[in-house]
Amino acid sequence: QVQLVQSGAEVKKPGASVKVSCKASGYTFTDYYIHWVRQAPGQGLEWMGWISANNGGTNYAQKFEAWVTMTRDTSISTAYLELSRLRSDDTAVYYCARSADIFKGLAGDYWGQGTLVTVSS
Amino acid sequence: DIQMTQSPSSLSASIGDRVTIICRSGQNINNYLNWYQQKPGKAPRLLIYIASNLQSGVPSRFSGGGSGTDFTLTIDSLQPDDFATYYCQQTYNGVTFGPGTKVEIK
Repeated sequence: QVQLVQSGAEVKKPGASVKVSCKASGYTFTDYYIHWVRQAPGQGLEWMGWISANNGGTNYAQKFEAWVTMTRDTSISTAYLELSRLRSDDTAVYYCARSADIFKGLAGDYWGQGTLVTVSS
Repeated sequence: DIQMTQSPSSLSASIGDRVTIICRSGQNINNYLNWYQQKPGKAPRLLIYIASNLQSGVPSRFSGGGSGTDFTLTIDSLQPDDFATYYCQQTYNGVTFGPGTKVEIK
């Protein structure tokens, strides 16, 4: 069965960087996109961007372009989200989600369990 | 960025009620509109993609409609498992989520 398993919770100081992983199984990794979505405590969903697992192409939300990097390692079916220059308002649960292409609406049909990143001095 | 709005922001309903949530986009999004359900502490779950297509495994009491800039999610005969927050998402130009609609028990 399709699974996306994310790395564990992180606590970081302001200004630091964090790298969250999302390991896929149960499907052909390179046939899909991986999206990253975050949710601050008590808030709604915020899309950060996607990476094509096939060719590594990325599409970032404008807000995140300067300080987010999405990569993938096809040999281990894993996608990564790296955030730099963390601030306290980056404290959130970070989700990865799989989507097919635009013909399926780029809709996230499977999601990881979420990774809590806490930024605190 | 395409802005998305949802109404109402919250609603109270009873088991068996028919519930409709409205999602509006700031410009025509050519039906690239998805709906998700999220329960506290859980990842979102895809319900509807491309405005009206029911995701596999989702109960048929959920349906999506609309076109252009105005879309709806309807839940026929609300069940206890349906109390949650619902988000719309446009994928026509970039990706944007709506602010969410919380469905609570009356």
